[in-house]
Amino acid sequence: KAGVTQTPRYLIKTRGQQVTLSCSPISGHRSVSWYQQTPGQGLQFLFEYFSETQRNKGNFPGRFSGRQFSNSRSEMNVSTLELGDSALYLCASSLNRNEQYFGPGTRLTVT
Amino acid sequence: GQSLEQPSEVTAVEGAIVQINCTYQTSGFYGLSWYQQHDGGAPTFLSYNALDGLEETGRFSSFLSRSDSYGYLLLQELQMKDSASYFCAVVTDKLIFGTGTRLQVFP
Repeated sequence: KAGVTQTPRYLIKTRGQQVTLSCSPISGHRSVSWYQQTPGQGLQFLFEYFSETQRNKGNFPGRFSGRQFSNSRSEMNVSTLELGDSALYLCASSLNRNEQYFGPGTRLTVT
Repeated sequence: GQSLEQPSEVTAVEGAIVQINCTYQTSGFYGLSWYQQHDGGAPTFLSYNALDGLEETGRFSSFLSRSDSYGYLLLQELQMKDSASYFCAVVTDKLIFGTGTRLQVFP
């Protein structure tokens, strides 16, 4: 069974731009969660989608948004990028919340 | 609010046993999960405890005490490949991660 895939793997953007990241979950997994990982803050929960509905949201500004499609694929969007948004963005899919399977992540650098 | 505490770094030698502790403060607690992340890699699931007690999976074991809001990951017969960061994560209506413990295994 194929694992979680994320595209692109690396991205460089400038301040003020927007970015869209994509995640394809493991086949059969309907839950997709997104996390931001930085050296100082560790893994921080962004949001969780289940069957195209946002089920939970973390403490991030409204510039961070996401969606899930009927095939469970998910995208997250960050608008008006700031330098502090530079991070590794991880997507995880699961059948249940306690055991999540992570993709390789998208490394976003904002200059 | 929600908070998790785990040591920032632990060192050990090959063949040794190491314990990584995690204390948490949260509401709506369902259980405690553990993840391993090698440098440059993605986190991978290790174990989950919903009930008090010890869960064993090969060389790794995980323990939970709900009354003490405390858990630990026990790694036995350490190998060089175990050098990685280890995260505890509380399962509530979302998954909240600790800041991670960097384990360095020396020969």
